[in-house]
Amino acid sequence: NAGVTQTPKFRILKIGQSMTLQCTQDMNHNYMYWYRQDPGMGLKLIYYSVGAGITDKGEVPNGYNVSRSTTEDFPLRLELAAPSQTSVYFCASRSTGTHYNEQFFGPGTRLTVL
Amino acid sequence: GQQVMQIPQYQHVQEGEDFTTYCNSSTTLSNIQWYKQRPGGHPVFLIQLVKSGEVKKQKRLTFQFGEAKKNSSLHITATQTTDVGTYFCAGARDTNAGKSTFGDGTTLTVKP
Repeated sequence: NAGVTQTPKFRILKIGQSMTLQCTQDMNHNYMYWYRQDPGMGLKLIYYSVGAGITDKGEVPNGYNVSRSTTEDFPLRLELAAPSQTSVYFCASRSTGTHYNEQFFGPGTRLTVL
Repeated sequence: GQQVMQIPQYQHVQEGEDFTTYCNSSTTLSNIQWYKQRPGGHPVFLIQLVKSGEVKKQKRLTFQFGEAKKNSSLHITATQTTDVGTYFCAGARDTNAGKSTFGDGTTLTVKP
């Protein structure tokens, strides 16, 4: 299993540009998450999904959009990029059906907005 | 909203010394997880605590969950250079809600 994969690894955007961060997991997990991590800080939840077709806002959703058309994929869309969105973005997934909350993280996408 | 605070933010130790990080939640938790993130890497799950007063050990690491289920700690005995990284706690109020709130982490550096 590849686990959680993210593309791209790095990206530089100009202010006002848009892009989609891709996230795919092959563990058949229902729960998926998008976090951002600013330097020296913890993980802030942007959006999450409890299954295909269902998404919900986290702590910091402004400026982002998500969709979940399949169990495997959970892309994050940035519209009108701003310097405040410079961060490292992590996608994560976890299984349901147990009370075990282990989240599996992807390697991250390092985004710079200039 | 729920807040999870971790202290200290940074800890520098000599190899062989012990290390402890503390996690405090503003609300009672259903469970708490601990993750480790190596420099430049992604968070990796270490353990989950569920029961009030629970204590779990993984080799030199000891994890505790407070009686009131609002605080937790991670203690490393005799640190090694391989312990370097940032340790995060993540608390969930409701297991079925699907989300946890992460603390800001404690970054551990170990001097050989």
